[in-house]
Amino acid sequence: GDSVTQMEGPVTLSEEAFLTINCTYTATGYPSLFWYVQYPGEGLQLLLKATKADDKGSNKGFEATYRKETTSFHLEKGSVQVSDSAVYFCALSEHGNNRLAFGKGNQVVVIP
Amino acid sequence: NAGVTQTPKFQVLKTGQSMTLQCAQDMNHNSMYWYRQDPGMGLRLIYYSASEGTTDKGEVPNGYNVSRLNKREFSLRLESAAPSQTSVYFCASQPASRSQETQYFGPGTRLLVL
Repeated sequence: GDSVTQMEGPVTLSEEAFLTINCTYTATGYPSLFWYVQYPGEGLQLLLKATKADDKGSNKGFEATYRKETTSFHLEKGSVQVSDSAVYFCALSEHGNNRLAFGKGNQVVVIP
Repeated sequence: NAGVTQTPKFQVLKTGQSMTLQCAQDMNHNSMYWYRQDPGMGLRLIYYSASEGTTDKGEVPNGYNVSRLNKREFSLRLESAAPSQTSVYFCASQPASRSQETQYFGPGTRLLVL
């Protein structure tokens, strides 16, 4: 079945550092890919998405490129802020299937 | 425009008690979903409703029932709560049942079953 794998463990980094969170996926067809963010005590909200290969999603300084050849959708930001501290979830949805499959999430802590 | 609202925000139950989690959306979305979030597990789909009048099982439906009361409201019922159902429950809605559509999440209900 469809699945999403995110790198293990929390990510702690200093303000203005470069952030990368890895995400790889397994799907039988051509899924849409998403990054959702969850701030403390809140629900999830969409950060960015890409619906076909080679598309780049971007929002709030974050970027991710849909790489079909490596089945990846890694999240990057060039200079993080304390306000970026949150849990980040990678997710996919197969065409013809309205379910979202989520990765386990990565806690990101940005230290001033 | 409230988006997706959930009630209650927090609930404590004893094993065997029943309760209904309420969810409503004011965005005229067709599809609605119930997820549970457990530490280290991500979100797992419990039930979903692709459109008014239809419901389907997700990944972890055992111990739950749902009702799509109308286009706005989608409730989740625990008939006999168990400690394994201690979790944070999120409701989400989606404009249409298409894979490229964004899902919009409510703030969650924290449930503790003793």
